[in-house]
Amino acid sequence: EDQVTQSPEALRLQEGESSSLNCSYTVSGLRGLFWYRQDPGKGPEFLFTLYSAGEEKEKERLKATLTKKESFLHITAPKPEDSATYLCAVPPDGGSYIPTFGRGTSLIVHP
Amino acid sequence: GAGVSQSPRYKVAKRGQDVALRCDPISGHVSLFWYQQALGQGPEFLTYFQNEAQLDKSGLPSDRFFAERPEGSVSTLKIQRTQQEDSAVYLCASSLRTSRNTGELFFGEGSRLTVL
Repeated sequence: EDQVTQSPEALRLQEGESSSLNCSYTVSGLRGLFWYRQDPGKGPEFLFTLYSAGEEKEKERLKATLTKKESFLHITAPKPEDSATYLCAVPPDGGSYIPTFGRGTSLIVHP
Repeated sequence: GAGVSQSPRYKVAKRGQDVALRCDPISGHVSLFWYQQALGQGPEFLTYFQNEAQLDKSGLPSDRFFAERPEGSVSTLKIQRTQQEDSAVYLCASSLRTSRNTGELFFGEGSRLTVL
């Protein structure tokens, strides 16, 4: 069973059209949830870490929130340069802190 | 440069050939990770080093895959007798801390391997 499930797989928005990406997780004891951005042909770039339900982090037009079962990445008034794949990751159950990634949401923002 | 450097960026191999992919992490970073990313998928963990010690290799898909980091800096991922299913982007990442889980890994741009 996948420990991290992201939805939707792909999302097309018009510039300025706000929306949210979802990341649900099944690990029993969350020890951090990580959001990354990946541009085509590049490696993932770290955005945020969330540790506990109710926590929020913001960066420019992005805001990440966390509940006990899922995280949302809210994108407010997106611009074409926000187009990328957004990846969510968690450490697996057990002692490892090595991030396990979801499949990502591919976001395209049209001008 | 100050980032994680990977080489080669692109590699085409004939089925059965051996390949070696190099990763030069950020100076001073203790932890080093290798991930495999197939087209349209998220990165999948392969192996993890803390300094020169390979602490986790549970993600290596077969004994054809081997990784080393002999001096605790540069790492090499070697794939022997490549198969078509090995075609993917191989990502290397490094991080400074091991005792605190910040989740912040610094990734290189990856090495894209195509096996014909």
